[in-house]
Amino acid sequence: DVKVTQSSRYLVKRTGEKVFLECVQDMDHENMFWYRQDPGLGLRLIYFSYDVKMKEKGDIPEGYSVSREKKERFSLILESASTNQTSMYLCASSLPLLVNTATDTQYFGPGTRLTVL
Amino acid sequence: AQRVTQPEKLLSVFKGAPVELKCNYSYSGSPELFWYVQYSRQRLQLLLRHISRESIKGFTADLNKGETSFHLKKPFAQEEDSAMYYCALLDNYGQNFVFGPGTRLSVLP
Repeated sequence: DVKVTQSSRYLVKRTGEKVFLECVQDMDHENMFWYRQDPGLGLRLIYFSYDVKMKEKGDIPEGYSVSREKKERFSLILESASTNQTSMYLCASSLPLLVNTATDTQYFGPGTRLTVL
Repeated sequence: AQRVTQPEKLLSVFKGAPVELKCNYSYSGSPELFWYVQYSRQRLQLLLRHISRESIKGFTADLNKGETSFHLKKPFAQEEDSAMYYCALLDNYGQNFVFGPGTRLSVLP
């Protein structure tokens, strides 16, 4: 089974701190994604990556950056955390479109609930 | 622990036929339930939420607390409905968000 792990389930940080959210997948997937989920809203895509060292902005990239130095690891970085970044962060991975017939299957991690005080 | 199950990995129906994508959950409280859809080569997007009780693209879903289910239904499937569908649960503290494994819907001409 695919396993997507996130470094922390709960995280509390102060405004202005630099925050790293780590995501690791063990299925050699090319694609990795970072989303945030807020009450009353749908899942919103922050950044995604189609390959090592590749990154693409999603719908709400402002205030975030990402790093994909290794295929299995996709990090989300908050350079200077703010209170409006308090949210549930979800990482996901999938195979590329041209390889797998179930191309749109995304596998999600358990989520990290970040609170910025 | 919260859990979301979607028993079918793949569901194939003919155009015009009714479709039901099953979703069951395990949670002792009052969760918020969602259906997300991902069309080929597009991003994951929210389809509907149980609290809004709306119909999107002809799809509806009713939360059945007795059966702990949130099945997605459409009376007449269209080819453009072919996609990956995910059921998801948010607990009533807004702390945990859990996705089901997804069901691929294939609507045949």
